[in-house]
Amino acid sequence: DAGVIQSPRHEVTEMGQEVTLRCKPISGHNSLFWYRQTMMRGLELLIYFNNNVPIDDSGMPEDRFSAKMPNASFSTLKIQPSEPRDSAVYFCASSLTWTGGRISGANVLTFGAGSRLTVL
Amino acid sequence: EDKVVQSPLSLVVHEGDTVTLNCSYEVTNFRSLLWYKQEKKAPTFLFMLTSSGIEKKSGRLSSILDKKELFSILNITATQTGDSAVYLCAARSGGGADGLTFGKGTHLIIQP
Repeated sequence: DAGVIQSPRHEVTEMGQEVTLRCKPISGHNSLFWYRQTMMRGLELLIYFNNNVPIDDSGMPEDRFSAKMPNASFSTLKIQPSEPRDSAVYFCASSLTWTGGRISGANVLTFGAGSRLTVL
Repeated sequence: EDKVVQSPLSLVVHEGDTVTLNCSYEVTNFRSLLWYKQEKKAPTFLFMLTSSGIEKKSGRLSSILDKKELFSILNITATQTGDSAVYLCAARSGGGADGLTFGKGTHLIIQP
């Protein structure tokens, strides 16, 4: 299994530009999470999807941020327009969530390698 | 608001020492607590704890959960330079597909 795949690994862009980060979760996982990590605030949950449906987007900082999951194998996080304070490492993670059974390895998130975003 | 607090924020010890990392949490409808190790890239899973008092062990690492006092500890014995990393604690609340609330991590540095 290739794990959670994110792209790009690094992006440097200028303020005002649109940024799109991409994520391919582990095949068979039904939950997908976008996190942002900074030195000041640590890892923050931005949004998560279950079976491709956004469940909680309360962590999305502003309307400039949007996320989509058009199918079970792909998700995007878009920032438009980007600002310097958006500079961070953005992690995508996926898990297999069981909704009716016992907890048995479920909800253990597997993280991608992250996308380091720098907005100048 | 769900909250996870880790201490210390940073720790420098010599190789061979034993360290204890702390994690306290306040989450609604607590389900489980997870420990992750983050080196240069993505956090990697260490332990998931759901029951109080049951120690989970993996080599020199062990962890235990106290649901009454709302905390967990991660112990590392006979530390090695390869243990240098940020150790993240995360608590899961509710059911279904809820996300994890992470602490800010403990930055552990093992000196030779």
